[in-house]
Amino acid sequence: EADIYQTPRYLVIGTGKKITLECSQTMGHDKMYWYQQDPGMELHLIHYSYGVNSTEKGDLSSESTVSRIRTEHFPLTLESARPSHTSQYLCASSEIGQAETQYFGPGTRLLVL
Amino acid sequence: QQQVKQSPQSLIVQKGGISIINCAYENTAFDYFPWYQQFPGKGPALLIAIRPDVSEKKEGRFTISFNKSAKQFSLHIMDSQPGDSATYFCAASEGPSGSARQLTFGSGTQLTVLP
Repeated sequence: EADIYQTPRYLVIGTGKKITLECSQTMGHDKMYWYQQDPGMELHLIHYSYGVNSTEKGDLSSESTVSRIRTEHFPLTLESARPSHTSQYLCASSEIGQAETQYFGPGTRLLVL
Repeated sequence: QQQVKQSPQSLIVQKGGISIINCAYENTAFDYFPWYQQFPGKGPALLIAIRPDVSEKKEGRFTISFNKSAKQFSLHIMDSQPGDSATYFCAASEGPSGSARQLTFGSGTQLTVLP
């Protein structure tokens, strides 16, 4: 089982709140990703990082932001949560040169009221 | 625009039967085709993958069949078991080796294997 962790697993918050979803991996992978997935639906890439101090936006436009200050840590922040942000957020990582083999965390299921 | 089209959306199979999930793509630059398996409450996990230089790859009960000319690939699960019940995603990637490669996922197939 992959060593990639996400907290919290479930989060219910009110509109307008600032939230940070945590993602950590202990595999030393350079590349990390954030996907958004509605239940049972396809995964949409919203952010990725090649390494420390590198962040890029993915295919799906997102109002969230990310940072990569440490190799093992890739948090995602929503400055002002809205009901449209309700979804599951999956974090993943991979080795540079093996980007196709991505290891996923268990996900954070977010509900914004 | 969905670059990888997956079907069916859901599939119900009896225990011991064969489960078949299909994917089609348009981008001829895709050169790596993995399948991911996702159980409820878990993140997806790599199941099996193929490159277009071969037409078939088998790992245990799981087989990928690849048809380059038709731009299609499929996952076959032989002797399906209730423990195989999960959502399956096909994916594809392209680009130079190294950090630039990313995955494009299909929409997923929810497989239920009845006991």
